Amino acid sequence: DTEVTQTPKHLVMGMTNKKSLKCEQHMGHRAMYWYKQKAKKPPELMFVYSYEKLSINESVPSRFSPECPNSSLLNLHLHALQPEDSALYLCASSQEPLGQGGYTFGSGTRLTVV
Amino acid sequence: GQQLNQSPQSMFIQEGEDVSMNCTSSSIFNTWLWYKQDPGEGPVLLIALYKAGELTSNGRLTAQFGITRKDSFLNISASIPSDVGIYFCAALFGNEKLTFGTGTRLTIIP
Repeated sequence: DTEVTQTPKHLVMGMTNKKSLKCEQHMGHRAMYWYKQKAKKPPELMFVYSYEKLSINESVPSRFSPECPNSSLLNLHLHALQPEDSALYLCASSQEPLGQGGYTFGSGTRLTVV
Repeated sequence: GQQLNQSPQSMFIQEGEDVSMNCTSSSIFNTWLWYKQDPGEGPVLLIALYKAGELTSNGRLTAQFGITRKDSFLNISASIPSDVGIYFCAALFGNEKLTFGTGTRLTIIP
C-alpha cells in the first residue's frame, strides 16, 4: 500500500458545525502532515506529527484541532470555521519527520464553509 | 524564510512540444522534489533528487539538481494531453520544513 487516503473527498459545513477530516496511511511512515491549499497557490503547512506527537503548529487558529490516534491515522477536527477557511486540505506522510525522502500526499478534502 | 522562485508561472504549448521549467533560490537545499497536481487532487511526486549535479529521468520527464544546490529544473519531452496540470518544485534542507515553489501551470493548446 503506497497511498495516503483522505475522507471525505468533499465537505460542506456551516460556521456553527463540528466536523472532522480523516487521513490514513499504511506505509509505516513516522511523520504525518496537514496542509491547506487555496486555489492557484502552493500547499501551506499547518501541522506536523512526528512519531505520533505534534511537533510543529504553524500558528494555526484553534478552530483547527489535529489529532493522531496512532501511527497510521491523522484527524483534523473543525469547529466554528469561517468562510475564508474554505480550501483544499491535504494530508501527507513521510518516512522520517522532515526527512530527505519524498512526501506522499493524499488526494485532499475540498472544504466549503457556508 | 526560504523561498523558491518557480518559472514560468504558466505555459501554453502544443501537443508534442518539449517543456522546461525551473526553480531557483538564494538558499541551498539538500533535496529537490518535483510534483504534479491535477485539479481537485493532491500533488503526486514525479522525481526526487538528493545530490548536487544529479540528473534523473522518469519516462519523458528529466530533472536535475543544480550544482550550486540552489536550483533545479524539470524537462518534459514530447508533451501529451495528460501532462496538463500544475507542476510544483519543492525543496528540503536538513530538518527544515518542505518549501514549495509557486507552481507552473501547463496548458496544451489543441
